[in-house]
Amino acid sequence: DTEVTQTPKHLVMGMTNKKSLKCEQHMGHRAMYWYKQKAKKPPELMFVYSYEKLSINESVPSRFSPECPNSSLLNLHLHALQPEDSALYLCASSQDGNSYNSPLHFGNGTRLTVT
Amino acid sequence: DQQVKQNSPSLSVQEGRISILNCDYTNSMFDYFLWYKKYPAEGPTFLISISSIKDKNEDGRFTVFLNKSAKHLSLHIVPSQPGDSAVYFCAANPDYGQNFVFGPGTRLSVLP
Repeated sequence: DTEVTQTPKHLVMGMTNKKSLKCEQHMGHRAMYWYKQKAKKPPELMFVYSYEKLSINESVPSRFSPECPNSSLLNLHLHALQPEDSALYLCASSQDGNSYNSPLHFGNGTRLTVT
Repeated sequence: DQQVKQNSPSLSVQEGRISILNCDYTNSMFDYFLWYKKYPAEGPTFLISISSIKDKNEDGRFTVFLNKSAKHLSLHIVPSQPGDSAVYFCAANPDYGQNFVFGPGTRLSVLP
């Protein structure tokens, strides 16, 4: 079982909908990440939170809005998405993201389809 | 421009033999390297990592070798098992930072 839990597992939404993806970890990690993965492609970094502050935004469109309510939780708010945003959205965490030997631990992802 | 490359999209190996997966990188700032395994409908699972100050790291059946001068690393799996069949991603991280960059992946099939 993964120690990073993502909900929902699957999500279908229209282009005018507002939805949220949720991620939770209880490993005491202080860095949390959102990655996007398209079919047959590697995961691509979207956002990083370190100690509950946004530390990296990889020029992601504003229709994706991350939120880190506390060190265990990470949300991704979605609004006015496009069909090309359909992908597997992966949450990950690491011990603190600024030291050696701090690998990413991934959840099982949310499969998002935008219609 | 791909900073982390895995030039073999797929690899087939007989059960019990050695699997060797290769990865090349272009960014000389990378100093922490990781291998992940991914099954369908699951997130990537961390396997093993290596710092740039080492040239080898071993964990059970998995060994990672790093050749800094060639900007090349490899993952050896010995002996290979059918359960090892998955997509393997190489990843790298500059200056112990947070920007993990992933390669395109190699699909390993271990044949019984």
